[in-house]
Amino acid sequence: NAGVMQNPRHLVRRRGQEARLRCSPMKGHSHVYWYRQLPEEGLKFMVYLQKENIIDESGMPKERFSAEFPKEGPSILRIQQVVRGDSAAYFCASSGMGAYSTDTQYFGPGTRLTVL
Amino acid sequence: AQSVTQLGSHVSVSEGALVLLRCNYSSSVPPYLFWYVQYPNQGLQLLLKYTTGATLVKGINGFEAEFKKSETSFHLTKPSAHMSDAAEYFCAVSGGSKSTFGDGTTLTVKP
Repeated sequence: NAGVMQNPRHLVRRRGQEARLRCSPMKGHSHVYWYRQLPEEGLKFMVYLQKENIIDESGMPKERFSAEFPKEGPSILRIQQVVRGDSAAYFCASSGMGAYSTDTQYFGPGTRLTVL
Repeated sequence: AQSVTQLGSHVSVSEGALVLLRCNYSSSVPPYLFWYVQYPNQGLQLLLKYTTGATLVKGINGFEAEFKKSETSFHLTKPSAHMSDAAEYFCAVSGGSKSTFGDGTTLTVKP
C-alpha cells in the first residue's frame, strides 16, 4: 500500500545546474500538486496537474520552473539554472478526485533541495 | 482569494495539559479546512478536515477542531498533550484548485 513517493529525498546541486524532482502519486490517483516549503515557512502552492494537463500553475515562478505529469510515469518538477534561493523542501501531494472536491490530498515525504 | 493565519509560531505546553493551536482563515467561497502535522524531515500527515456538516471535527491522535464561521476560526485542540505530539502543525484552507497553508505552529511538550 504505497503512499505518495518522491525521489530523491535529498538533492544537492551547484548554482546553474538543473534539478529534477520526481513524484509518483498514490495508486489510483490522477491529480498531483506541488508545494514548496522554505525554511521556517508554511507550504506554498506551486502547480496542480492532471495526467498530461496543467490545471493551475499560478504559484509557479515564471522562469526556470516547469512541471509535467505524463500519461505514463511520475510527475516531474524541473528547475533549470538553480540559484541559492531555490533551496527548500518540495512536497508533492496527490488526490483521487479533483481539487474542486472534498477529496483529501495525501503528501509525499518531500525532496530537500540544497543549492551550493 | 483565501488566506490562513496561525496565531503563535511556537506553543509550549506541559505533558498532560490542554493543547490549543489557533487558526483563522479568510475565503471568498465556503471553505474546506484542514489541520496537518509534520514531524522533522517528513511530509505532512492529515489530522482532520472540515468540509460540511458537523462543525466539531474529530481527528486522529485525540485531536479535534471546531469550525466557527462567525469567528472565521478553526482552532485545534487536544485535552491532554503527550510527548509524541511535539511537531509542527499546519492549518490549511482549500477553495478551488489549491490549498493555502498557514506558516505553521511548532508545538513543544515539556515533561
